[in-house]
Amino acid sequence: AQRVTQPEKLLSVFKGAPVELKCNYSYSGSPELFWYVQYSRQRLQLLLRHISRESIKGFTADLNKGETSFHLKKPFAQEEDSAMYYCALMIYNQGGKLIFGQGTELSVKP
Amino acid sequence: DSGVTQTPKHLITATGQRVTLRCSPRSGDLSVYWYQQSLDQGLQFLIQYYNGEERAKGNILERFSAQQFPDLHSELNLSSLELGDSALYFCASSEFQGNTEAFFGQGTRLTVV
Repeated sequence: AQRVTQPEKLLSVFKGAPVELKCNYSYSGSPELFWYVQYSRQRLQLLLRHISRESIKGFTADLNKGETSFHLKKPFAQEEDSAMYYCALMIYNQGGKLIFGQGTELSVKP
Repeated sequence: DSGVTQTPKHLITATGQRVTLRCSPRSGDLSVYWYQQSLDQGLQFLIQYYNGEERAKGNILERFSAQQFPDLHSELNLSSLELGDSALYFCASSEFQGNTEAFFGQGTRLTVV
């Protein structure tokens, strides 16, 4: 079964500290993975996708097929990074269904 | 602005009633997704349409139904509403093929009283 797991509901760090939001997936095919961010229960916005290998707002994520993980990292957290972060998996053989993990709330304290 | 428009933004209704949520996708996007976001369940995939046809189904209750019209806008119908249906309902759209991004609307906040 396809599944995305984000084991941490809440991650609290101090400003300037490194951040790692964990994401593990279960999928037998070739995964397409994304990170979305939601500020104050507004619309979800794409943060980054693994195929583009870009860094957005200082965040990076590397796909590790061996560990079936796609953890989101940032070396120095900022207060404005406080938000909900969702890891998502695109299932193309089912019409392009996009399934999300439960989300991790990141709280960056001053 | 993502280009995805959802109406209404807020809806308050009583138990047992029926409501319709509307979504206009981004210009050119053929695929529409509906999601329910509640505090205890997180972001749950409900259903997806592509060019008017249902393509994928998630945890959608039988009391809920959706459709996508020829102009590609979509409606989510929720009937026999219960208190537990109170949630934020998001619509997203994307292109079907390729490594594409899903663009989300601002959501409709439904409160059932």
